Amino acid sequence: GEDVEQSLFLSVREGDSSVINCTYTDSSSTYLYWYKQEPGAGLQLLTYIFSNMDMKQDQRLTVLLNKKDKHLSLRIADTQTGDSAIYFCAALTGSWGKFQFGAGTQVVVTP
Amino acid sequence: EAQVTQNPRYLITVTGKKLTVTCSQNMNHEYMSWYRQDPGLGLRQIYYSMNVEVTDKGDVPEGYKVSRKEKRNFPLILESPSPNQTSLYFCASSWTGTAMNTEAFFGQGTRLTVV
Repeated sequence: GEDVEQSLFLSVREGDSSVINCTYTDSSSTYLYWYKQEPGAGLQLLTYIFSNMDMKQDQRLTVLLNKKDKHLSLRIADTQTGDSAIYFCAALTGSWGKFQFGAGTQVVVTP
Repeated sequence: EAQVTQNPRYLITVTGKKLTVTCSQNMNHEYMSWYRQDPGLGLRQIYYSMNVEVTDKGDVPEGYKVSRKEKRNFPLILESPSPNQTSLYFCASSWTGTAMNTEAFFGQGTRLTVV
C-alpha cells in the first residue's frame, strides 16, 4: 500500500465540523503535517504535530495522533466555505527530511 | 518575505522540445525537491537535493534531470518531454534533519502541458 493514505473526498455543511483522516506506515516519522491547497495555488502549511504528542489545538483546528495505529486526523470546527480545498497529510521521515504525502482529500463545503 | 519562486506558472510545449522549469528559494535552505501532482495520486517526489552538488532520485525520476549548482536554485529539466509528463509541478525547500520541525515551503506550481 501507499506510505500515506487518506480518503479522497469529504462533503460537509457550512457550520458543521469536518474530520479528515490519514494513516501512515513509517513508525519513525517524526513530524506529521496538514497542508491546504486552494485552487490554482501551492501548498500552505496548516498545522503540524510532533510524534510524541497526542493532540494539538490551533484555533478551529484540532489534530489527533494515534501513534500506535499510525493514524492522524484533522478536525475543522465550524467549517466555512473558505475551507473548501484539498488537504494533504504528510509525514517527515528519514534522517535527512523526506516528506511523504498522501493523495489529498478534497473537502467541499455546502451552504 | 520567505518564498519559493517557480517559473513559468504555465507552459504548453510539444513532444521532444527540451524545457527547463526554474525554482529559487530565499531562505538558505539546504533541502530542495521537485514533486508532480496528478489527480488521485497526490504529490510524488521526482528528485531532491540535500545541498549544493548533492542530488538524488525520488519516486518518479524517469524523464527528468536536475542540477544544484547554487544553494538557492534547483531547476527541473525535461530533455525530451512526452505527453505523460503533463502535470502540475511543485518545487519545495526546507531545512534538513529531523531534530527540529522542518516545514516544507512550496512554490506556486507550474502547470505543464505536453502535446
